[in-house]
Amino acid sequence: SQQGEEDPQALSIQEGENATMNCSYKTSINNLQWYRQNSGRGLVHLILIRSNEREKHSGRLRVTLDTSKKSSSLLITASRAADTASYFCATDGVAGSQGNLIFGKGTKLSVKP
Amino acid sequence: EAEVAQSPRYKITEKSQAVAFWCDPISGHATLYWYRQILGQGPELLVQFQDESVVDDSQLPKDRFSAERLKGVDSTLKIQPAELGDSAMYLCASSSSFAGMQFFGPGTRLTVL
Repeated sequence: SQQGEEDPQALSIQEGENATMNCSYKTSINNLQWYRQNSGRGLVHLILIRSNEREKHSGRLRVTLDTSKKSSSLLITASRAADTASYFCATDGVAGSQGNLIFGKGTKLSVKP
Repeated sequence: EAEVAQSPRYKITEKSQAVAFWCDPISGHATLYWYRQILGQGPELLVQFQDESVVDDSQLPKDRFSAERLKGVDSTLKIQPAELGDSAMYLCASSSSFAGMQFFGPGTRLTVL
């Protein structure tokens, strides 16, 4: 079963614009991670935010976490054509967790030059 | 830069045949994961190893799937017999820390005819 649910499913923007993707989850977590996947490739880790953190930055990426609403958002600023990919959130549940991740269905981002 | 290696990259087989996938994690990573990703979906965990021991195989269809990591380094995932519904991307990932960021290989794209 998939705990994370990304929104929107697909997003198309122009180069230079900002892209915001949202993730909602169901149970308590230790941390939430965001990954990127280029078409037909493996996933690349972008950022990890712990349950006691509210915001984290990495280059052009900004992630927020609201544990009261069980939601997170990923903001990519000044997008580039190379940002075109699918973006997944993944949660590591607290209760009964073996440290594995549960991924959402992803947001497919298209950045047009 | 260290990477997770997987082979083959592509595999086409007929139903009822046996297939095997190989994964070599990043050196020193004790935790190894096998995921299955259906097109348009997020990865779903099949099996998790800590060194040579299986930590979680609750989602592994054990009647046809098997996985091993005999020396706690590289790993093999086998399907016998393959079914049409097994067509998917099979991803291997490794991690140096429990519940930390995961490093993914390029995946094996399986097509069952």
